[in-house]
Amino acid sequence: LAKTTQPISMDSYEGQEVNITCSHNNIATNDYITWYQQFPSQGPRFIIQGYKTKVTNEVASLFIPADRKSSTLSLPRVSLSDTAVYYCLVGDINNDMRFGAGTRLTVKP
Amino acid sequence: DGGITQSPKYLFRKEGQNVTLSCEQNLNHDAMYWYRQDPGQGLRLIYYSQIVNDFQKGDIAEGYSVSREKKESFPLTVTSAQKNPTAFYLCASSTSKGRTLGAFFGQGTRLTVV
Repeated sequence: LAKTTQPISMDSYEGQEVNITCSHNNIATNDYITWYQQFPSQGPRFIIQGYKTKVTNEVASLFIPADRKSSTLSLPRVSLSDTAVYYCLVGDINNDMRFGAGTRLTVKP
Repeated sequence: DGGITQSPKYLFRKEGQNVTLSCEQNLNHDAMYWYRQDPGQGLRLIYYSQIVNDFQKGDIAEGYSVSREKKESFPLTVTSAQKNPTAFYLCASSTSKGRTLGAFFGQGTRLTVV
C-alpha cells in the first residue's frame, strides 16, 4: 500500500494558482492517483484521477512525472470557496481507500 | 437521482448501547466503505466491502461491526465495546472496475455519546 505525504497546510490568495504536491515513492504499477476535496461536516468529493502525464478537467489539473513517485494537483485561480482539505490517495483504482491527513488550503481575500 | 444516503444525520447514544448507522446507495457500486473522522483529523477506515456477503477490517475496526447482505446496503453498528464512539461517520461507495470518477460519499452521521 503506497503511503502518501502531503503538506499539512497551505495559504493562498484569491485569483492565484495553487499547486499541492503529494509524494508516493512506493507507488505500484497498478496504482492510480486520486484527489478529493472536503469541506467541514461534509463527505469528500472527487476532484480528479490520473495514472501518468497530465489530466485536466473543469476544476483542476493533475501532473504526474514519468517516475510517478509524486503528483501535483493544480487549482487555477482559486476563490474563497476553494478553502478546504485536499486529500491525495494512491491505490489500485478505488480498491485502496485509505486517506492521509490531507492538506488544509486556506484562500484569503 | 443516483446517490448514497446516510441516516440519520445526527444520532445520540447512551453509554453502553449499541447503535446502527444506515448507508444505502443506488449507484450499482460493488464496493462500500465506512470511515470515522474526528475533529481536525483525516478519515480513518473502519470496514470495507468489495462484494456482497464479504467485508474486511480497516485500520480501526475494533468496537464496530458491519454486514453486507445486499449490494445497496452497508450498515455499521457501533457497539458498546467502542470506547470513544463520538465522531463523524462517513460512508462511501465506488466501482472497482476500470477508470472511474472516484468514490461517492454520503453526507455523514454525527454520533454523540451522552
